[in-house]
Amino acid sequence: QKEVEQDPGPLSVPEGAIVSLNCTYSNSAFQYFMWYRQYSRKGPELLMYTYSSGNKEDGRFTAQVDKSSKYISLFIRDSQPSDSATYLCAMSKGAQKLVFGQGTRLTINP
Amino acid sequence: EAGVAQSPRYKIIEKRQSVAFWCNPISGHATLYWYQQILGQGPKLLIQFQNNGVVDDSQLPKDRFSAERLKGVDSTLKIQPAKLEDSAVYLCASSQVGWTSVRETQYFGPGTRLLVL
Repeated sequence: QKEVEQDPGPLSVPEGAIVSLNCTYSNSAFQYFMWYRQYSRKGPELLMYTYSSGNKEDGRFTAQVDKSSKYISLFIRDSQPSDSATYLCAMSKGAQKLVFGQGTRLTINP
Repeated sequence: EAGVAQSPRYKIIEKRQSVAFWCNPISGHATLYWYQQILGQGPKLLIQFQNNGVVDDSQLPKDRFSAERLKGVDSTLKIQPAKLEDSAVYLCASSQVGWTSVRETQYFGPGTRLLVL
């Protein structure tokens, strides 16, 4: 079993829709949870960062962490074609290596 | 601020050949990471340097992979000999210190795409 599981998709939604991306994990020691966005032929870039459980909002993006269920989510409101990318969840125990999910390929159709 | 630079961007080699990748991190960043991203998967850390020293190389296949970071700045990752399963994108990232916190974001380069035939 992988430490971090993420549905690879692909996921295709119309412009303006609310997008929900999710990851589950097995290691209860993870404390730091991140979402990265990776455009085609580019390196990942940090989108959202959350420590422990709770919600965090940044513009159209909301990250949720439920440590009791070992489940994290990223919501994108009013999705735009420019949001089309692969979204990677990542997590760590602290000052240690990031463990990435497989990535979900998202397409927003105009 | 200039980003993380990597070269070459693409490389095609035959199995059993050797190959080297180069990375120049963001100026002033003490920590440098090499990741392997196989098609359809998330990045996997191969090695992490703090200045000149290795912090974590637990997932580096040391029988064929080697990496060095001279003078705490640029780094090279080498594969010798290459296998078919080494086909992947090799990403370099850097951060100011190395703590996984919002202040210590890892900045990724564009990667080197390696195809082993």
